[in-house]
Amino acid sequence: QKEVEQDPGPLSVPEGAIVSLNCTYSNSAFQYFMWYRQYSRKGPELLMYTYSSGNKEDGRFTAQVDKSSKYISLFIRDSQPSDSATYLCAMSARQAGTALIFGKGTTLSVSS
Amino acid sequence: ETGVTQTPRHLVMGMTNKKSLKCEQHLGHNAMYWYKQSAKKPLELMFVYNFKEQTENNSVPSRFSPECPNSSHLFLHLHTLQPEDSALYLCASSQDMRGETQYFGPGTRLLVL
Repeated sequence: QKEVEQDPGPLSVPEGAIVSLNCTYSNSAFQYFMWYRQYSRKGPELLMYTYSSGNKEDGRFTAQVDKSSKYISLFIRDSQPSDSATYLCAMSARQAGTALIFGKGTTLSVSS
Repeated sequence: ETGVTQTPRHLVMGMTNKKSLKCEQHLGHNAMYWYKQSAKKPLELMFVYNFKEQTENNSVPSRFSPECPNSSHLFLHLHTLQPEDSALYLCASSQDMRGETQYFGPGTRLLVL
């Protein structure tokens, strides 16, 4: 079993839809969870950062962590064509000598 | 310049060429990373440097040679590459090596002919 699993999609939705992106993981030591957005031919940019379980909201974006289920989600409300990108989840245990573990990324396309 | 910068942004090279990729971070971070991103594949961590010392080499072929002269600069020297090495090469930095949030550069898109 891979440490982080993420459905690569592609996911296609109409403008205005609510989008749900998900990752599952196997390492119960993970405490820090991130979502990155990567536009075509660009580097990933940090979108959301959460610690432990719970929700975090930033504008149209909500990150949710369920440590008991080892499951994280990113919700995008009122999706826009400019949200079309690849979304990568990343997580870490914040222990010395460790780096982030990334999912494969989910490609999202929002049509107008 | 702010954040993480990479040069060149695009590179085409033959299999016998030698070239170098450069990364510079302006964030005061202590850890720097090289990743390879191929189409339809996840990010592949290649090398990690923490306080200028290499801490990780993920079984990367010797035709890729990293160099970290100081905490702000990272190079990836390339020689006798193969066509399958064509990919987006991303540099990232983080405050330290404790699973911190990483900040990425725009990448160098490499094509090996």
